[in-house]
Amino acid sequence: KNQVEQSPQSLIILEGKNCTLQCNYTVSPFSNLRWYKQDTGRGPVSLTIMTFSENTKSNGRYTATLDADTKQSSLHITASQLSDSASYICVVIYTDSWGKLQFGAGTQVVVTP
Amino acid sequence: NAGVTQTPKFQVLKTGQSMTLQCAQDMNHEYMSWYRQDPGMGLRLIHYSVGAGITDQGEVPNGYNVSRSTTEDFPLRLLSAAPSQTSVYFCASSPSDRAYGYTFGSGTRLTVV
Repeated sequence: KNQVEQSPQSLIILEGKNCTLQCNYTVSPFSNLRWYKQDTGRGPVSLTIMTFSENTKSNGRYTATLDADTKQSSLHITASQLSDSASYICVVIYTDSWGKLQFGAGTQVVVTP
Repeated sequence: NAGVTQTPKFQVLKTGQSMTLQCAQDMNHEYMSWYRQDPGMGLRLIHYSVGAGITDQGEVPNGYNVSRSTTEDFPLRLLSAAPSQTSVYFCASSPSDRAYGYTFGSGTRLTVV
């Protein structure tokens, strides 16, 4: 069972609208949580990194939140643009080893005009 | 441009053939890693390295070998290709400070027939 679950699997939104993506994890011990954006045919690109002591991190129109108590994170996209069409991936890093990390399967976002 | 370079971008192999996927970075990053990405699944770690001469296994290492003779290069070898190794492969690098995100290459799409 994947220890990082993302929802929804996919969504379609109108240009200019906001949306929120969810990431629930069971990874322990927890080091940090990252959100990546992956355009079709490209490698993932880092959006935000949060440690357990941070509960909000912004990068332009992207805002990530983290609740380490409930093990939930969200990524909010404000005033979506066509270029936001991509897969958004949640990654949770363990504390004890470089080799321990879990990727979510991603949420596919399609922004339509 | 600085970054992670992967070659080739596409490759078709016959079952039983061997090949090497190349990965090079010019950012002097200590950490490098290989992932495979399959439809509907999160990226999975194959092997990683925390510095020249040091490698370790990730979640799905079987059928793959790596070596790290220089800081810049981290090739991935498929010993005897199998159809189950059909996937998209990504290489990533990072500074040793885990507060930084990973920089991913653009991927290699491998098909084993």
